[in-house]
Amino acid sequence: ILNVEQSPQSLHVQEGDSTNFTCSFPSSNFYALHWYRWETAKSPEALFVMTLNGDEKKKGRISATLNTKEGYSYLYIKGSQPEDSATYLCARRGFNKFYFGSGTKLNVKP
Amino acid sequence: NAGVTQTPKFRVLKTGQSMTLLCAQDMNHEYMYWYRQDPGMGLRLIHYSVGEGTTAKGEVPDGYNVSRLKKQNFLLGLESAAPSQTSVYFCAIYEPMGNTGELFFGEGSRLTVL
Repeated sequence: ILNVEQSPQSLHVQEGDSTNFTCSFPSSNFYALHWYRWETAKSPEALFVMTLNGDEKKKGRISATLNTKEGYSYLYIKGSQPEDSATYLCARRGFNKFYFGSGTKLNVKP
Repeated sequence: NAGVTQTPKFRVLKTGQSMTLLCAQDMNHEYMYWYRQDPGMGLRLIHYSVGEGTTAKGEVPDGYNVSRLKKQNFLLGLESAAPSQTSVYFCAIYEPMGNTGELFFGEGSRLTVL
């Protein structure tokens, strides 16, 4: 994998559903993996910064895992709420630079 | 978005005009970045700086210049604007803290080139 890839591109779920997204990245020269939440008309806000293989982070109903050996990270949202609607970006930190995926746009219907 | 301020927030230019976007930070972070955001393309790095007086090219540097004369300011210049530069521009700052630091973003600057 040369670039940071996120899937799916978009997701529509009902309120209360649990969901997950994938971020795939080159596993070489890995420094850190970032997840950001990006609401329309706002700027991205950091959710998690993950550095170690096997890392698991949690913030409320949102959690993330990291596998640096195979180059992927999962973001999970348990019991989605309408306020979770946003674009979720992942970024791989290399030396001095960040490489962003194109994001997963989540829409949670009431 | 305390700490990272972008000006202007909106601008409309005619092809061939020049302009400068200013990113100002009050968090004393070393690294500063300029990204552009286009539909379906995520954030693409234009230029970045790892300290006062230093700049480097990112993924899409053509048509842009930057300067970091003071640590707190990172300027992005368009010498001769083209319609392809219509985009939303985001500045971000970063302080490496054992790889655990996070990016802080400005609110974005929407530029339209006619």
